[in-house]
Amino acid sequence: ETGVTQSPTHLIKTRGQQVTLRCSSQSGHNTVSWYQQALGQGPQFIFQYYREEENGRGNFPPRFSGLQFPNYSSELNVNALELDDSALYLCASSLRPSSYNEQFFGPGTRLTVL
Amino acid sequence: DQQVKQNSPSLSVQEGRISILNCDYTNSMFDYFLWYKKYPAEGPTFLISISSIKDKNEDGRFTVFLNKSAKHLSLHIVPSQPGDSAVYFCAASVGIQGAQKLVFGQGTRLTINP
Repeated sequence: ETGVTQSPTHLIKTRGQQVTLRCSSQSGHNTVSWYQQALGQGPQFIFQYYREEENGRGNFPPRFSGLQFPNYSSELNVNALELDDSALYLCASSLRPSSYNEQFFGPGTRLTVL
Repeated sequence: DQQVKQNSPSLSVQEGRISILNCDYTNSMFDYFLWYKKYPAEGPTFLISISSIKDKNEDGRFTVFLNKSAKHLSLHIVPSQPGDSAVYFCAASVGIQGAQKLVFGQGTRLTINP
């Protein structure tokens, strides 16, 4: 059974650019959640995708958007990058949207915005 | 607003002794509480959870206690082992627009000394 994978591992962008981060969910999981973890903080919920639709969103602006594909993999897109977007971006997959303890996290993508 | 708080950024414990990690929350709507463990360069790994209707849950060396009146939970690890050295995140689960989102604390770095 393959766990949650994310790509790339690290990324450096400049202010104003756009970025796409990718996540492959664990086998059999149809729900993907994205989190942003700033340095020294806990992860913050960005949004969740279920059956290719956004299924709940945290307190993030519209320039954070996502996609989920028929194979349940997902992308996180961030437009007009700002310095404060520098963070570790974590993807978590689960069997269903209402899972409690069943969110399995990937290793994250470290984004640096200069 | 920080709805889930871990007030101790770090904790150092001798091997074999008890480690106690604390977490406070403010939102009475949280219905599940979880502890995650995180090693460097890895995503958070689920450790143990507790429903808001219970006050204790035990799994091997790990026990979580929930005090609803004080809005406080704690994780006890006994006996502590060197492999327990990691960052521990407390998280609370709440429904949002059909999704179940996790709200994390800032984390506590636990170091087990031989």
